[in-house]
Amino acid sequence: DQQVKQNSPSLSVQEGRISILNCDYTNSMFDYFLWYKKYPAEGPTFLISISSIKDKNEDGRFTVFLNKSAKHLSLHIVPSQPGDSAVYFCAASAPGGGADGLTFGKGTHLIIQP
Amino acid sequence: DTAVSQTPKYLVTQMGNDKSIKCEQNLGHDTMYWYKQDSKKFLKIMFSYNNKELIINETVPNRFSPKSPDKAHLNLHINSLELGDSAVYFCASRGTLEVGTDTQYFGPGTRLTVL
Repeated sequence: DQQVKQNSPSLSVQEGRISILNCDYTNSMFDYFLWYKKYPAEGPTFLISISSIKDKNEDGRFTVFLNKSAKHLSLHIVPSQPGDSAVYFCAASAPGGGADGLTFGKGTHLIIQP
Repeated sequence: DTAVSQTPKYLVTQMGNDKSIKCEQNLGHDTMYWYKQDSKKFLKIMFSYNNKELIINETVPNRFSPKSPDKAHLNLHINSLELGDSAVYFCASRGTLEVGTDTQYFGPGTRLTVL
């Protein structure tokens, strides 16, 4: 039972354009959401997060949007750069201090084309 | 100056062997985790340790045992390795809970191959 879903296994975007990665969740107890970026043979690297009390968080080229009613979040990268090519994981946690760990989606492979 | 480190990075071994993977964090965090990424690429929580106390254990076989000699280390010991244990194992850590943040920092992973 996947509680966090990333329905696009891959996404190809032209350099300089906007990349939009989507994530859906089913557990209404989740109150904190994160995006991680992963290169091959490396561990996931924290990118950006958002608390359920917000609907938007921005950090440089990265913006995360949260729509609680739709149980949907998205990551916008603009402008997209070649170094952004990686697998992006959406993750979520429930109240309790993260004692249950993070629940991850399956990832979306973003490919930035020159 | 790695924040979360794991050794070894690659581990190839025979079925039935016992092996350990080491994890160290220099972030001063008080909670550490082990995750498994299987062949389907799902990252799933296995264990978490807070101040040397096991908090959760997500339906992991008891052949797997986390061992924490101190707050900065959480090693994963695996007995009687099976073919299905082949996966990439990630260690992670998290600091004291602050309101609204559960950010975890991951190590580089250990690719375990059981032959």
